[in-house]
Amino acid sequence: GDSVTQMEGPVTLSEEAFLTINCTYTATGYPSLFWYVQYPGEGLQLLLKATKADDKGSNKGFEATYRKETTSFHLEKGSVQVSDSAVYFCALIDSWPGNQFYFGTGTSLTVIP
Amino acid sequence: KAGVTQTPRYLIKTRGQQVTLSCSPISGHRSVSWYQQTPGQGLQFLFEYFSETQRNKGNFPGRFSGRQFSNSRSEMNVSTLELGDSALYLCASSQGGTGEMNTEAFFGQGTRLTVV
Repeated sequence: GDSVTQMEGPVTLSEEAFLTINCTYTATGYPSLFWYVQYPGEGLQLLLKATKADDKGSNKGFEATYRKETTSFHLEKGSVQVSDSAVYFCALIDSWPGNQFYFGTGTSLTVIP
Repeated sequence: KAGVTQTPRYLIKTRGQQVTLSCSPISGHRSVSWYQQTPGQGLQFLFEYFSETQRNKGNFPGRFSGRQFSNSRSEMNVSTLELGDSALYLCASSQGGTGEMNTEAFFGQGTRLTVV
C-alpha cells in the first residue's frame, strides 16, 4: 500500500540556518507529492506540491524536488526564520482513487533567534 | 473566496454519547474528505464524499459515519464515543475531479473533540 516516511523530530535550528526535512514514499501508481504546514491550533496549509517526476515545488523560500529514482521529496530552505516554527507534513495522493492523502508523521521545527 | 469552515471548533463529550461535526467546503468544491489527527496515529483518512456519494473509506469502525448534502456541506457522526476518539478532526475540500484538479485540497481549522 501507499505510505510516507518522514524524518523524526523535533528539529531545533538557529535563525538563518539551513533546513532539510527528509521524506520518502511508497506508492502503487503515479502520485502527486505535497508538503503541508501546521501552526499551533490551526489546520493544514499547503506549502508546496509537485505532480510528476523531476518537478520542483517552491513557496516562501521552501523547495522540494520530486525524485522518482529515490522515491523522495525532501523539503529544504536556505535560511529559516522564527516564523517558520511549525509542524511540517509530507503527503501524497496516488493516481487512483486520487482523493485520499497519505501523510507522514510530521516533523516539528523550532527556530530560535 | 471563503475558506473551509468547520464547526464547532471545540467539543467536549462524555463516553457513550454521539457527536456530529460539520464542514462547509469552498464554494464550487464538490469533494469533502475527513481526517482524524492524534499524537499517536498521526493523520488518518476517514472517508471522502463527492456529489453526495461516499467514494472512499478508511479503516475506521462503523461508529464513524458521514454524509454530504446537495450543497456539498458534509457532516461526520461518531456514535458511542470512546476515550480514544479524542482527536482533531480535519476536513479537506477540493474540486473532486481526477488528475490535476484534485490535488488542490484545502483544509479547515479542525474540530477538537475531547471525550471524557
